[in-house]
Amino acid sequence: AQKITQTQPGMFVQEKEAVTLDCTYDTSDPSYGLFWYKQPSSGEMIFLIYQGSYDQQNATEGRYSLNFQKARKSANLVISASQLGDSAMYFCAMREGPDTGNQFYFGTGTSLTVIP
Amino acid sequence: EPEVTQTPSHQVTQMGQEVILRCVPISNHLYFYWYRQILGQKVEFLVSFYNNEISEKSEIFDDQFSVERPDGSNFTLKIRSTKLEDSAMYFCASRRRQGYGEQFFGPGTRLTVL
Repeated sequence: AQKITQTQPGMFVQEKEAVTLDCTYDTSDPSYGLFWYKQPSSGEMIFLIYQGSYDQQNATEGRYSLNFQKARKSANLVISASQLGDSAMYFCAMREGPDTGNQFYFGTGTSLTVIP
Repeated sequence: EPEVTQTPSHQVTQMGQEVILRCVPISNHLYFYWYRQILGQKVEFLVSFYNNEISEKSEIFDDQFSVERPDGSNFTLKIRSTKLEDSAMYFCASRRRQGYGEQFFGPGTRLTVL
């Protein structure tokens, strides 16, 4: 089974609107971390937001928030007030286990296009 | 703000040749990683490195790959005999030992094998 599933290969959103990018994960480990990265056309990977499995509250970072639903094993990224510069690939990732050097598992990504 | 750097940004090589991809992780980080991303596909883990040894590696990381931290600042990925299917973007990442869990990624090296 895939560790991370992103079911939306492409999404469009109007500038200034909010958009939700879906991510579901699969793990039996009670301790894990969930991450979202942005990859613009230039190719670099930019960290956006992190949610730990034991965090009680949903993570927020500026216009980014993570809708963490543990029972459903989902960690959707919400971008509020979309900007043209938000157009990029977005990857959801997971680290299993305690806070050590464990690898990240990435999803296949969602390509977001912001329309003026 | 400190960042992970990678050189070269683009490497073109002939099939069968050896390549070395270089990375300078963030200076107070202790865990180092290599990932690759074939064009249009997801990012795949290759190897993690801690305390001067490999801590975890994937099935992709076979005998043709090796990693080294030769001088306490650089972290290298060597591909001994490149194949066409090694063409990909290779990302180096690093993270602190404790606390916040994110990995900081470098800008990547695009490897093209002809």
